[in-house]
Amino acid sequence: EPEVTQTPSHQVTQMGQEVILRCVPISNHLYFYWYRQILGQKVEFLVSFYNNEISEKSEIFDDQFSVERPDGSNFTLKIRSTKLEDSAMYFCASSHAVRDSRTYNEQFFGPGTRLTVL
Amino acid sequence: AQRVTQPEKLLSVFKGAPVELKCNYSYSGSPELFWYVQYSRQRLQLLLRHISRESIKGFTADLNKGETSFHLKKPFAQEEDSAMYYCASNSGNTPLVFGKGTRLSVIA
Repeated sequence: EPEVTQTPSHQVTQMGQEVILRCVPISNHLYFYWYRQILGQKVEFLVSFYNNEISEKSEIFDDQFSVERPDGSNFTLKIRSTKLEDSAMYFCASSHAVRDSRTYNEQFFGPGTRLTVL
Repeated sequence: AQRVTQPEKLLSVFKGAPVELKCNYSYSGSPELFWYVQYSRQRLQLLLRHISRESIKGFTADLNKGETSFHLKKPFAQEEDSAMYYCASNSGNTPLVFGKGTRLSVIA
């Protein structure tokens, strides 16, 4: 069964450094999402992407964040200058754009990347 | 704004006992409700969605619009049910709004 994959599984970086988190969504999905979960807190939405552009973003997704689909298969989240408070698990998810009675709009999640900012 | 509330952070039950994980939501339109489960060291995976009205791994959840609830239930808990359970809501392809999660611990 196809799965969303994410690399790396764990990224450690120094404050102020740029990081790129990578995701490979399920191949026939058209909607892509990034969520994050700070330790002990709930999963929070960051951004959604459809038709090669951002369709929705949260207040968390400020100018330090950007997303890209560089080659038709990868979906990346870049944090330009990391802060301590960016330390979290980052989850990528993807879904079909068209509903049908079987798949509906289920979002399939990747295993996550744990980002640690020192 | 959409909001999903899971009042219990931790729920411990004995094996064979009934389980009910509570979830309440607030949403101004017609929300879709989901339960996601995260087993130890595994990814978030969909357990149930209200639209399908199915039972997965013995779990059921009924959408109660009057009480704006979507509680997850299982009549007899198993040790392998121990996991984090997240209630979530969205509409169409909009982002999911998650509750804080409930850790279910089933004691042998």
